[in-house]
Amino acid sequence: KQEVTQIPAALSVPEGENLVLNCSFTDSAIYNLQWFRQDPGKGLTSLLLIQSSQREQTSGRLNASLDKSSGRSTLYIAASQPGDSATYLCAVRRGDDKIIFGKGTRLHILP
Amino acid sequence: NAGVTQTPKFRVLKTGQSMTLLCAQDMNHEYMYWYRQDPGMGLRLIHYSVGEGTTAKGEVPDGYNVSRLKKQNFLLGLESAAPSQTSVYFCASSYRTAYNEQFFGPGTRLTVL
Repeated sequence: KQEVTQIPAALSVPEGENLVLNCSFTDSAIYNLQWFRQDPGKGLTSLLLIQSSQREQTSGRLNASLDKSSGRSTLYIAASQPGDSATYLCAVRRGDDKIIFGKGTRLHILP
Repeated sequence: NAGVTQTPKFRVLKTGQSMTLLCAQDMNHEYMYWYRQDPGMGLRLIHYSVGEGTTAKGEVPDGYNVSRLKKQNFLLGLESAAPSQTSVYFCASSYRTAYNEQFFGPGTRLTVL
């Protein structure tokens, strides 16, 4: 059974710092992995999607990596800003198209 | 483009009542999904559809039914609502291609008394 874990559950860092969010999964037979952000009371916004054959994807200050063999993905945020404060979720897609989410990391950027 | 829309945004039901949540997308996506989000449990997949006329069970399908009669719409039904179904419900859609990024609707907050 695929399980997706995000540690830590919450993180506070000063503005301007670079930071890494972690996502681990138990079954390496994934189709792809997607990172989202969710603001309080809102829906999910897609940040990056990494195919199982890819190692990383970049968008602006965000960089996501994927290591299937170790069952890990990281989301790197450079030069953090208060507007980056949100909950960040990762989700893996299985070969049968079922999608499993982690419980998220609640990020707070301190001004 | 409106993207993914959900109707209604809020609803309060009494135990035993029924209702239908509507999800609509205008991106010509083949795949559609229904999730529920609960504190401490994260997002869990209820049902999904890989094309018009098809549906499949997700992680927590019990107590829900779905229909995909038109490609752009995915309906989630609660036949006899229970307090345990109090949650925020999200719909999402994606293409069938390899790069099948999911796009989410704004959510429906359902309370069952």
